[in-house]
Amino acid sequence: AQKITQTQPGMFVQEKEAVTLDCTYDTSDQSYGLFWYKQPSSGEMIFLIYQGSYDEQNATEGRYSLNFQKARKSANLVISASQLGDSAMYFCAMRESKGNAGGTSYGKLTFGQGTILTVHP
Amino acid sequence: KAGVTQTPRYLIKTRGQQVTLSCSPISGHRSVSWYQQTPGQGLQFLFEYFSETQRNKGNFPGRFSGRQFSNSRSEMNVSTLELGDSALYLCASSLFGNYGYTFGSGTRLTVV
Repeated sequence: AQKITQTQPGMFVQEKEAVTLDCTYDTSDQSYGLFWYKQPSSGEMIFLIYQGSYDEQNATEGRYSLNFQKARKSANLVISASQLGDSAMYFCAMRESKGNAGGTSYGKLTFGQGTILTVHP
Repeated sequence: KAGVTQTPRYLIKTRGQQVTLSCSPISGHRSVSWYQQTPGQGLQFLFEYFSETQRNKGNFPGRFSGRQFSNSRSEMNVSTLELGDSALYLCASSLFGNYGYTFGSGTRLTVV
């Protein structure tokens, strides 16, 4: 069974500084996808970044980068130049590999418990 | 383009009642998944539908059911509500899994 572990219940960072949110995973699948989502107090889950298990380069999306260390089974999120609007809950998630029909992959996401990030001015 | 739309946003029900939640995916997305989020259990997968067929199911009792229509819209139903069913229910749609799942804003269900 897949498992995601986020060991930091809460993190604090000063505005404009970088912060790393930890995520480790456990799976027996060779093919899997790793995701990070942001959930502000409004409840909506906002997709941030994706890393495929066969991707050799770390994913980057603007101020977000994913530090993927496959051998250590870790997929840490790095947020550079933190902004006050980054204060939210952050979830790491993994998608198991299931069938593929009509060009659409399907399979459930397994989420970690989340890390609450607070950005101080 | 319009995002994933979930209705209603808030709902208060009494124990023993049933409830139906609705999810309209992004146009062109054929896969719809449902998740339950509670403070104690976190985010848990309920089920996933693709082309009107349930493709994947989480570990929830039979009181939780869902369906998907030909236009990809999905509904989930919870019968005989219990206090523990109080949660944020999130729907997500996807076109290709590699591009991530787009979530709706959720339906916050309170059972009293």
